[in-house]
Amino acid sequence: ETGVTQSPTHLIKTRGQQVTLRCSSQSGHNTVSWYQQALGQGPQFIFQYYREEENGRGNFPPRFSGLQFPNYSSELNVNALELDDSALYLCASSWGWVNTEAFFGQGTRLTVV
Amino acid sequence: GQNIDQPTEMTATEGAIVQINCTYQTSGFNGLFWYQQHAGEAPTFLSYNVLDGLEEKGRFSSFLSRSKGYSYLLLKELQMKDSASYLCAVRENNNDMRFGAGTRLTVKP
Repeated sequence: ETGVTQSPTHLIKTRGQQVTLRCSSQSGHNTVSWYQQALGQGPQFIFQYYREEENGRGNFPPRFSGLQFPNYSSELNVNALELDDSALYLCASSWGWVNTEAFFGQGTRLTVV
Repeated sequence: GQNIDQPTEMTATEGAIVQINCTYQTSGFNGLFWYQQHAGEAPTFLSYNVLDGLEEKGRFSSFLSRSKGYSYLLLKELQMKDSASYLCAVRENNNDMRFGAGTRLTVKP
């Protein structure tokens, strides 16, 4: 186990709805990154938070947004869900944003119907 | 383009050595990572290279050539539990982490 926990583990939503996914980082880690992983593909970088500020973003539309809290836990929010948003959402935590080792949580499997 | 390419599938025999290659194109290189991912599980960190050369870590080694945009992961003394997907990822200067699609390795007895 990595000490990174995500909730919920599985979720089913309807197209057009909004969803919030949560991540508790490993103790001592101040950086959280979020990824989307479609079946049979590698993770796609969504964004990264360091000390409560976004400091890197991948090629995802603005309806993907996030937060990092003072305890370094994090949320990923997705508005106006589309069918293609169905995927495994992974968060990874590390100490420092120039991290050499990030620890992943088990992920949230989101299904949009 | 900014692609990361690795073979889709590989098969090897228990006890053997296997090399998984990764080529990449990037506008600003800031490190290359290898992760292992078993089916239905989260990726786990294997190695990190930012300078040219070989990094050895037990049965696993990773090599980087920045001028060639090339890396490989070498797995020695293969075990059945090494059957998994191996992900190559490149960190860019804007902290964007780009992953390849992964190489599914099957280890046979």
